[in-house]
Amino acid sequence: GAVVSQHPSWVICKSGTSVKIECRSLDFQATTMFWYRQFPKQSLMLMATSNEGSKATYEQGVEKDKFLINHASLTLSTLTVTSAHPEDSSFYICSARDRKKSIAKNIQYFGAGTRLSVL
Amino acid sequence: AQTVTQSQPEMSVQEAETVTLSCTYDTSESDYYLFWYKQPPSRQMILVIRQEAYKQQNATENRFSVNFQKAAKSFSLKISDSQLGDAAMYFCAYRLMNRDDKIIFGKGTRLHILP
Repeated sequence: GAVVSQHPSWVICKSGTSVKIECRSLDFQATTMFWYRQFPKQSLMLMATSNEGSKATYEQGVEKDKFLINHASLTLSTLTVTSAHPEDSSFYICSARDRKKSIAKNIQYFGAGTRLSVL
Repeated sequence: AQTVTQSQPEMSVQEAETVTLSCTYDTSESDYYLFWYKQPPSRQMILVIRQEAYKQQNATENRFSVNFQKAAKSFSLKISDSQLGDAAMYFCAYRLMNRDDKIIFGKGTRLHILP
């Protein structure tokens, strides 16, 4: 099946620094990628939808300037947490949709997630 | 707005036994997908099973099957012959068909397998 690679798997950073998380579709082209946030023992909350070559669409309550999303190619989307603070510590998961498959038939493939710890 | 409700935060089942996880959802749409995802301790999301709303036949994948009741907006997951590797968090999820790709997840049910 299709593989989505997410890097890094775990990152620890100091408060005030920025952290970039990469999401790559390894064997398919992804027109659309999604970024989720998951707090401990909770469900996945969609943060934003990332479309290749255009601006991301953010969910209500998600700060655009805080969580910068770039989808510069059909195989790569990045999430940058700017000026990270301890409350940004969480598990971030990306998913990608195969552009060759119709919207009706597509399946989203998930990355393994990134654990962000802000000290 | 669409919502997905999983009323069982945790469940336990004896190895080799059968367990059913409950899920209800709310939507005014007629065309949609329903999913069950598994999140093991590694936290990698794994698609367990998928159901198209227009299909009356319940989806099955080996030991996993669903009971889809469209009128009742119910979508339960049955795991037969439970195995230790089935221990995980299970999320019920919903997505509109032919529209945007947003997946709406329930809060999850943590399944414990007792040896």
